[in-house]
Amino acid sequence: QSALTQPPSASGSPGQSVTISCTGTSSDIGGSEYVSWYQQHPGKAPKLIIFEVNKRPSGVPDRFSGSKSGNTASLTVSGLQAEDEADYYCSSRGGNVFGTGTKVTVL
Amino acid sequence: EVQLVESGGGLVQPGGSLRLSCTASGLTFSSNWINWVRQAPGKGPEWVAAMGPDEIEKGYVDSVRGRFTISRDNAKNSLYLQMDSLRADDTGIYYCARDRGYFTLDHWGQGTLVTVSP
Repeated sequence: QSALTQPPSASGSPGQSVTISCTGTSSDIGGSEYVSWYQQHPGKAPKLIIFEVNKRPSGVPDRFSGSKSGNTASLTVSGLQAEDEADYYCSSRGGNVFGTGTKVTVL
Repeated sequence: EVQLVESGGGLVQPGGSLRLSCTASGLTFSSNWINWVRQAPGKGPEWVAAMGPDEIEKGYVDSVRGRFTISRDNAKNSLYLQMDSLRADDTGIYYCARDRGYFTLDHWGQGTLVTVSP
């Protein structure tokens, strides 16, 4: 199973929004409602921020939202804050596969 | 509070073996699928293996099947990963993570570093 495809980088100024895409196939994202997103700060373990495409675990700010269309899932971070600067990874049931990762920079 | 604590990492030569452990607290360990996920330096996470609560169901990524063995002891709230015939590309941080269902990993340990080098 190949990794899901994400853009290497994304950036935005504080208060702006940034959207990250995650492209797979009909065997993973396209065929599953179980798409997750993880945030990882340097030296830390990944943290679940979105599950089942658009649900947020308790404690995750509503600035984080998820969606899916066809074989592509998206994560939007609204109202960017300095602490949102991190690596973000998508994942999907169907091969237990993660994305290639996107580094989000807050300008 | 759910806590997962990995141990057992270290430096090993190619072809060598290591046994990782993951000890859990704050959850009903015997009711959960638990995964091993690794992350090579500068790379994204890669799912390695998972084991179901019954200590029977298990799965592996193709690159480790036949070399790594996952096991668990529910009485000790512990998960293990026996890693044999280690290769340089097995180097990375190994995390254990609880699967709340459908490959949704909601609790992670802090990781243990495995380095395979001569």
